[in-house]
Amino acid sequence: SQQGEEDPQALSIQEGENATMNCSYKTSINNLQWYRQNSGRGLVHLILIRSNEREKHSGRLRVTLDTSKKSSSLLITASRAADTASYFCATPTGGGNKLTFGTGTQLKVEL
Amino acid sequence: SAVISQKPSRDICQRGTSLTIQCQVDSQVTMMFWYRQQPGQSLTLIATANQGSEATYESGFVIDKFPISRPNLTFSTLTVSNMSPEDSSIYLCSAGTGPGHNEQFFGPGTRLTVL
Repeated sequence: SQQGEEDPQALSIQEGENATMNCSYKTSINNLQWYRQNSGRGLVHLILIRSNEREKHSGRLRVTLDTSKKSSSLLITASRAADTASYFCATPTGGGNKLTFGTGTQLKVEL
Repeated sequence: SAVISQKPSRDICQRGTSLTIQCQVDSQVTMMFWYRQQPGQSLTLIATANQGSEATYESGFVIDKFPISRPNLTFSTLTVSNMSPEDSSIYLCSAGTGPGHNEQFFGPGTRLTVL
């Protein structure tokens, strides 16, 4: 199975609501990253959390990391239609800077 | 950070032909990578493009099918050879600025359709 599995696969919410996505991974990591992809385009790096951090904030984003459970969550607060995208977690693997991406969560924010 | 461009942005190709995708970074970077994203799927790493030497391929990807060049620290190409409909995907290049900088910067992708 994959290094990073995310749930839910798809999430549909109303504008203004919060969206939570979860990521589980299998091997030890030194950091975990979240990326956003708008409609089949390139990925944009959102936030990186290191293994010695439990929570990190960036604007409306809040990421948590539980290394004992090998899981992370991404919370988007007060969602907007522009947040509609696919969200992927990614973990470094094989040494160096290679990344393994999770299965992704497709978020739709409706007006 | 790094700004990455790719050419072409999309193409429709015939079975059995080859397509070369170009990736240009606006600054010198240590690491460059090529990914494939099949329809509705996540990203799968094809290879790490090494400057001045042969690329390092991931399991399931071979040089004969996906030859890669990286002549300098800002440019790389990926060729998809002898294409079949199963190669229809988005191909993305990315760049990493090296040790201590773990995030990657992505190009906009090349959407390939093989008929």
